[in-house]
Amino acid sequence: GQSLEQPSEVTAVEGAIVQINCTYQTSGFYGLSWYQQHDGGAPTFLSYNALDGLEETGRFSSFLSRSDSYGYLLLQELQMKDSASYFCAVRDWKGNTPLVFGKGTRLSVIA
Amino acid sequence: SAVISQKPSRDICQRGTSLTIQCQVDSQVTMMFWYRQQPGQSLTLIATANQGSEATYESGFVIDKFPISRPNLTFSTLTVSNLSPEDSSIYLCSAWGDRGHQETQYFGPGTRLLVL
Repeated sequence: GQSLEQPSEVTAVEGAIVQINCTYQTSGFYGLSWYQQHDGGAPTFLSYNALDGLEETGRFSSFLSRSDSYGYLLLQELQMKDSASYFCAVRDWKGNTPLVFGKGTRLSVIA
Repeated sequence: SAVISQKPSRDICQRGTSLTIQCQVDSQVTMMFWYRQQPGQSLTLIATANQGSEATYESGFVIDKFPISRPNLTFSTLTVSNLSPEDSSIYLCSAWGDRGHQETQYFGPGTRLLVL
């Protein structure tokens, strides 16, 4: 099976940078994904890492270290609209299995 | 990408009744998934639905309680049977879409169910 650990809550100031960590345990590994979910909304895809290193998409970056079973999501130039829940998720090695999600990190951006 | 719609968006049901949730994808997809999410909680996978075969259920979820249909490559239904207040939750339909070398899982807007 799979298990993922991420902080339950993070608070950061508008304009700042915040990092949300995720550690995982899985019998196999196909990639680490990050999703954003606003209250009342559907989860939306942010990023995906299959290989070690940093992936950058605008203000958001995601990092993966397969040897450490660790990844993080980096949000830069925080905006109030970034207040949401952020989930890391994994798929196992089979590649045709659905995502298993962490418990989520609730990010609050304050002025 | 894949655009997913669900009906109904929300419903209030009496205990003992059933609710069927419809999920429509704007493109053909091999696999569709159903998740449940309690408010403020994570997403829990209920089952995987492949066209032309029986759905595969996760531990703790059974076909009698959550029957699923998958009649074609763009549509699926989830029925929550014999409702109890514990079934009050958000039910989300999901499907894979490909983005080049990435594989993204897309979600519908969810169905909010309240059981009285």
